[in-house]
Amino acid sequence: AQSVTQLGSHVSVSEGALVLLRCNYSSSVPPYLFWYVQYPNQGLQLLLKYTTGATLVKGINGFEAEFKKSETSFHLTKPSAHMSDAAEYFCAVTYLSGGYQKVTFGTGTKLQVIP
Amino acid sequence: DAGVTQSPTHLIKTRGQHVTLRCSPISGHKSVSWYQQVLGQGPQFIFQYYEKEERGRGNFPDRFSARQFPNYSSELNVNALLLGDSALYLCASSDRSLGETQYFGPGTRLLVL
Repeated sequence: AQSVTQLGSHVSVSEGALVLLRCNYSSSVPPYLFWYVQYPNQGLQLLLKYTTGATLVKGINGFEAEFKKSETSFHLTKPSAHMSDAAEYFCAVTYLSGGYQKVTFGTGTKLQVIP
Repeated sequence: DAGVTQSPTHLIKTRGQHVTLRCSPISGHKSVSWYQQVLGQGPQFIFQYYEKEERGRGNFPDRFSARQFPNYSSELNVNALLLGDSALYLCASSDRSLGETQYFGPGTRLLVL
């Protein structure tokens, strides 16, 4: 079974500081990797995704992530945190298993931005 | 274009009852996926349907079933409800299958008493 590990269930950064949210995955087949954001009482919104091609992926709201196959990582970064970035972030991996699509989400990281 | 819509928004049931949750995908999208999100956890994949056929299944008991209609809307059915079924149920649609961007609805919050 594939798995996704998000290190740190809560991360606090100061406004204007670098945001780094960590995601490691295990997959025996080429995965598709995603980062989603969830604001309170709302559904999930896609930030960015990696399928094939360039390993540095740029997303919305100034976020980006780099796929590192050797490290099985897909960490999410943003150079300068805004108050509006406070939310919960989920890393997810999608892959085919036995002809069926499987999707696994991490347990999430709550980002707090301190003014 | 309207986004993914789900109904109802909230639901309260008692143990042993049955529930049906509904999802309408974005116009033109042929794939619908269902997720269960228990409070404080990440979403757990339940099913994916594409072109009315089941294309993905998570590790959920047979009490959970789903179907997709010719207009690509979908229903999730849960029988013999347990307290542990209390969760936010999310529906997501995409225009194709694996690897495509999924657009999530606001969810149905189910409380089982």
